[in-house]
Amino acid sequence: NAGVTQTPKFQVLKTGQSMTLQCAQDMNHNSMYWYRQDPGMGLRLIYYSASEGTTDKGEVPNGYNVSRLNKREFSLRLESAAPSQTSVYFCASSANGQLQVAFFGQGTRLTVV
Amino acid sequence: KQEVTQIPAALSVPEGENLVLNCSFTDSAIYNLQWFRQDPGKGLTSLLLIQSSQREQTSGRLNASLDKSSGRSTLYIAASQPGDSATYLCAVLRSYNTDKLIFGTGTRLQVFP
Repeated sequence: NAGVTQTPKFQVLKTGQSMTLQCAQDMNHNSMYWYRQDPGMGLRLIYYSASEGTTDKGEVPNGYNVSRLNKREFSLRLESAAPSQTSVYFCASSANGQLQVAFFGQGTRLTVV
Repeated sequence: KQEVTQIPAALSVPEGENLVLNCSFTDSAIYNLQWFRQDPGKGLTSLLLIQSSQREQTSGRLNASLDKSSGRSTLYIAASQPGDSATYLCAVLRSYNTDKLIFGTGTRLQVFP
């Protein structure tokens, strides 16, 4: 019963490097999300995908791209990392419908130096 | 723009106390509201979900209420225990179609023996 799995758990990047954060869910959920969590700012939505094949911008999409590879997987890519992207990143998923309880992964702690 | 605020930012109480955490939101046009728990270095776990048509939800020692017209929700924790120590976040879903969860900044709770 894995739920939402994110990889990697920790990552240190140099400014300008690129990387992809991976997320997979095994609950057959339609919706998937990427959030970042910064001290004093709560969780802010970067991108989300309401269904396979669709993606939409959230509050803070600049500097990121996403891919909804299939129903299970939703990846987040940083093309040219900046120190301002140092954060903890969370992937989440939820079923559509009246009871839209969201399930979260364990997070990726990213540091850009 | 929907804004979600949680007060207080931090709370420290002795074991056994009943306590109330507050969540307020600026736009009453919400679809549902969720309360989450986050342990240090971990992801979020959904505790309770209240539909916009509901007034409250209960799970064990937890009771969440919703007053949509005044833009408020409270999470009541009865007979607090040290194991309740965590950060508690509320989040509102603006509408079924937008699928965007907007989070508050959280209340960090410490229950000491």
